[in-house]
Amino acid sequence: AQTVTQSQPEMSVQEAETVTLSCTYDTSENNYYLFWYKQPPSRQMILVIRQEAYKQQNATENRFSVNFQKAAKSFSLKISDSQLGDTAMYFCAFMRPNTGNQFYFGTGTSLTVIP
Amino acid sequence: EAGVAQSPRYKIIEKRQSVAFWCNPISGHATLYWYQQILGQGPKLLIQFQNNGVVDDSQLPKDRFSAERLKGVDSTLKIQPAKLEDSAVYLCASSLGVAAGDNEQFFGPGTRLTVL
Repeated sequence: AQTVTQSQPEMSVQEAETVTLSCTYDTSENNYYLFWYKQPPSRQMILVIRQEAYKQQNATENRFSVNFQKAAKSFSLKISDSQLGDTAMYFCAFMRPNTGNQFYFGTGTSLTVIP
Repeated sequence: EAGVAQSPRYKIIEKRQSVAFWCNPISGHATLYWYQQILGQGPKLLIQFQNNGVVDDSQLPKDRFSAERLKGVDSTLKIQPAKLEDSAVYLCASSLGVAAGDNEQFFGPGTRLTVL
């Protein structure tokens, strides 16, 4: 079974600073996808960034980037120049395409950006 | 483009009652997911449809939960009878398909269920 672990239940960062959220996962699969989703308070979950396991290059989306370490099964999210609107729950998710895109989510990290 | 729609947004029932949730995915999305998100936890997949067929329902408590996706578009999730531990947010998500590049999930606003 796949497991996704987020070891930081809560984090805070000063506005404009950089923060890194951790995620580790356990799988025997070689082909899979990893995601970071953001869930703002009382709002819908939205995709932040996606990484394909067979790609060596770390994914980047504007201020968001990942550090994907396949051998270590680690997938951390770095948020640069943090903004107040980044305050949200962040979920790391694992998806294995061989079984019809079944998703496994971590327990989430609550990030607060302090003005 | 309209997003994933869910109703109702909130529901309060007493234990042993029945409840149903409705989801309308993004037009053209073949894959539909129902998740249960208990407070303080990540979403847990309950059931996944590909068009109107079930791909995975291994974590659906089938003694009390049921779901259908007639005609491969809208879907309903039912709980009968509800238990206290069913209190959670029920999220619906959809994606274009299951192929690489189509697998981004778009989530609805969720239905918050409270069982008293």
